[in-house]
Amino acid sequence: SQTIHQWPATLVQPVGSPLSLECTVEGTSNPNLYWYRQAAGRGLQLLFYSVGIGQISSEVPQNLSASRPQDRQFILSSKKLLLSDSGFYLCAWRDGGETQYFGPGTRLLVL
Amino acid sequence: AQSVTQLDSHVSVSEGTPVLLRCNYSSSYSPSLFWYVQHPNKGLQLLLKYTSAATLVKGINGFEAEFKKSETSFHLTKPSAHMSDAAEYFCVVSGLPGGSQGNLIFGKGTKLSVKP
Repeated sequence: SQTIHQWPATLVQPVGSPLSLECTVEGTSNPNLYWYRQAAGRGLQLLFYSVGIGQISSEVPQNLSASRPQDRQFILSSKKLLLSDSGFYLCAWRDGGETQYFGPGTRLLVL
Repeated sequence: AQSVTQLDSHVSVSEGTPVLLRCNYSSSYSPSLFWYVQHPNKGLQLLLKYTSAATLVKGINGFEAEFKKSETSFHLTKPSAHMSDAAEYFCVVSGLPGGSQGNLIFGKGTKLSVKP
């Protein structure tokens, strides 16, 4: 069966510091992968999606970037964090249809 | 364009009473519809999905939803609430067909509280 992991679970970072969040999927090949951010009172916002290795599409202009160095690995990064980057970050993968399956999330607090 | 509206931001029920979480959608074609549940500080878990088969969809944990095209609704119900059902629920509609990215459009969520 398929599983999705996110690392770390919680992160507290100072403003201006770099960021790297990792998402890995097991039990499937060549999945579509997604990064979402959930901020208080703003619902779920799609940040990036990837249909294959090295292929990244950005949904909104922002301080973040994404990379997909391997088929089942999706990384969310920033060179300098802003206060507004705080939130709950969710990674998801899509099956052959339209269903997306979510990871456990990473809580990021920027101080 | 596709959109989804969850009519209640917060619903409170007593344990053992029925649950109704309302969702209306707008779509230029026959979409796929989903309900996800999120417990505090957890990821989203798929409860059920409608993909143009039976209009009454049964999901996990005793939840079900009925697709009503004439009313453009996909309300989530459960006959008897349990304390463990307290969470936030998201109604979701699929994006435009033919898009390889398979984007989803999320409602703003409904927080369900269950009183003992």
